[in-house]
Amino acid sequence: ETGVTQTPRHLVMGMTNKKSLKCEQHLGHNAMYWYKQSAKKPLELMFVYNFKEQTENNSVPSRFSPECPNSSHLFLHLHTLQPEDSALYLCASSPRAGGKETQYFGPGTRLLVL
Amino acid sequence: GQQLNQSPQSMFIQEGEDVSMNCTSSSIFNTWLWYKQDPGEGPVLLIALYKAGELTSNGRLTAQFGITRKDSFLNISASIPSDVGIYFCAGTIQGGSEKLVFGKGTKLTVNP
Repeated sequence: ETGVTQTPRHLVMGMTNKKSLKCEQHLGHNAMYWYKQSAKKPLELMFVYNFKEQTENNSVPSRFSPECPNSSHLFLHLHTLQPEDSALYLCASSPRAGGKETQYFGPGTRLLVL
Repeated sequence: GQQLNQSPQSMFIQEGEDVSMNCTSSSIFNTWLWYKQDPGEGPVLLIALYKAGELTSNGRLTAQFGITRKDSFLNISASIPSDVGIYFCAGTIQGGSEKLVFGKGTKLTVNP
């Protein structure tokens, strides 16, 4: 596997379910990101981890809970989501956190909340 | 709120035509990036710009960092069917956090 991988690629869940999204990067990077992509809206940064430490939480509701056990893996734990949370969730990584660092994106998880 | 205005929202062109799209902002940017996203995939970086006035090419793609640091454009020359996709501008705002802000994207359709 190369680059940034995400699983699952598609997920349908009810509002009372608990699920987790997984991201893995094989690039030796130290920063990882979660973005939300909704139709007709710009990509929204959710969380940033730099060397496993969370450095940014962009006012994300607590029903989204990130976890970064090491620099190669990033999880997004989901519970009691709302239908408006349906979107494409993209993971990205970069050598370090910072505006001049190129971010490499995974293919995303398409989430539908019923 | 919306910090980047990207236009046009969509374009329908014939194969072989040149394409131009741009992003503008009321804020000053330190970096400008252009990404392309194919259906079912994540965005892929096309060109990165770090200095005002910088003009950079990547094959048939050319992008420029505006002199005012408030805008950037992307040109695609001699379009081909595989240019189809959504193109996003992104950048980091001077004096802000170093997080990327994205435009809403330009959806490009190329008719063979």
